[in-house]
Amino acid sequence: QVQLVQSGSELKEPGASVRVSCKTSGYTFTSYAMNWVRQAPGQGLEWMGWIDTKTGNPMFGQGFAGRFTGRFVLSVDTSVSTAYLQINRLEADDTAVYYCARSEGGGYSGVWGQGTLVTVSS
Amino acid sequence: EIVLTQSPATLSLSPGERATLSCRASQSVSTYLAWYQQKPGQAPRLLIYDASNRATGIPARFSGSGSGTDFTLTISSLEPEDFAVYYCQDRGNWHSFGQGTKLEIK
Repeated sequence: QVQLVQSGSELKEPGASVRVSCKTSGYTFTSYAMNWVRQAPGQGLEWMGWIDTKTGNPMFGQGFAGRFTGRFVLSVDTSVSTAYLQINRLEADDTAVYYCARSEGGGYSGVWGQGTLVTVSS
Repeated sequence: EIVLTQSPATLSLSPGERATLSCRASQSVSTYLAWYQQKPGQAPRLLIYDASNRATGIPARFSGSGSGTDFTLTISSLEPEDFAVYYCQDRGNWHSFGQGTKLEIK
């Protein structure tokens, strides 16, 4: 069956970097784009962007292009059917659960990873 | 930016009752709207896409309606497992989420 398995929780200091992985199985990786969504503690969902898994071309939403480009890097490795989210120069406000989710036709998030908690604290 | 406003923030109902959740967009999103359910400690689950289409495996008691700026998620008869937080999302350039409606047991 289709599965998205994310890497484990991370505790990082401010200014450090972290990479979250999202390993997929049960389908052809390059047939679906990958969305990334974050959820701060006790808060709602926030769509970050998506990546074209065929080309590796990332797209951040109009609402987030300025906030996320530069510090947030989306990438894929098709040889291992895995998508990655890297966050550079971590800030306390980056503390959140980060989800990958397979983008179904139209861009909706149909299959989700279990989430990765990233905690930024000194 | 498209802003999605969900109401009410919290809805208290009993099992067997009908639930009606609202999502209003600040500008038209046509029918490009989805609904998700999230239970504590779990990832969200897609319920409805394109305003009225149930996702695979979603029970028939869940239905969606609306177009333009006003949308509704209806749960015809609440089961104990339906008590959760529900989010709407548009799939346009903004992919905005609403702030969520918490459906709690009365």
